Amino acid sequence: GNSVTQMEGPVTLSEEAFLTINCTYTATGYPSLFWYVQYPGEGLQLLLKATKADDKGSNKGFEATYRKETTSFHLEKGSVQVSDSAVYFCALSGGGADGLTFGKGTHLIIQP
Amino acid sequence: DTAVSQTPKYLVTQMGNDKSIKCEQNLGHDTMYWYKQDSKKFLKIMFSYNNKELIINETVPNRFSPKSPDKAHLNLHINSLELGDSAVYFCASRAQSAGNTIYFGEGSWLTVV
Repeated sequence: GNSVTQMEGPVTLSEEAFLTINCTYTATGYPSLFWYVQYPGEGLQLLLKATKADDKGSNKGFEATYRKETTSFHLEKGSVQVSDSAVYFCALSGGGADGLTFGKGTHLIIQP
Repeated sequence: DTAVSQTPKYLVTQMGNDKSIKCEQNLGHDTMYWYKQDSKKFLKIMFSYNNKELIINETVPNRFSPKSPDKAHLNLHINSLELGDSAVYFCASRAQSAGNTIYFGEGSWLTVV
C-alpha cells in the first residue's frame, strides 16, 4: 500500500534560517505529491504540489521537487518567518477517487 | 465564497448522544471525503463518495454513517458518541480532472465529554 514518511518535529529554527523538511514515499504507479499546511486552530491548506517526476512545486517561497529516483519530495524555504510556524503535512494521491495518504506531520516553530 | 464548508466548527456533546456534521462544496467536484485528525495531528481517511456512491469505507465503527443527498453534500452522522470520538473531522472534495488536488474544509472540532 501507499505510505508517506516525514521527519517528526518539533523543528525549531530562528527567523531567516534555511528550512528543509524531509519527505519520502512508497507508492505503486505514479502518484501526485503534495504539501499541506495547518496553522494553529485552522484547517488544511494546500501549499504546493507536483504531479510528475522532476516537477517542482512552489508557493509563498516554499519549494519541493518530485524526485522519483529517491522517492522523495522534500520541502525547502530559503528564509523562514515567524508566520511560517505551523504543522506541515506531506501527502500523496494515486488519482481517480483515491484520497490522500498523509505523513504524520512536522510541527515547525520559528523563533524571532 | 468558501469552496468547502462544514458546520458546526465546534461541537461539545455528552457521551451517548447522536450528532451530525454537515459538508457542502460549491466547486462542482465529483468526489467528497471525510478525514479524521486525532490528538497527535495524524490524518486518516474515513469515507470517500464519488457521485453519491460510497467508494472507500475504511475500518471505522458502524456508529459513523456518511450520507450524500447529492453530489455537492456529504454529511457525517455519528451515533452513540464515545470519548474516543473526540477529534477534528475534515470534509474534502476533488474533481478527478483537476490534477488530483483535494480541497479541505476548515474542520469540525468535536469534543465528547
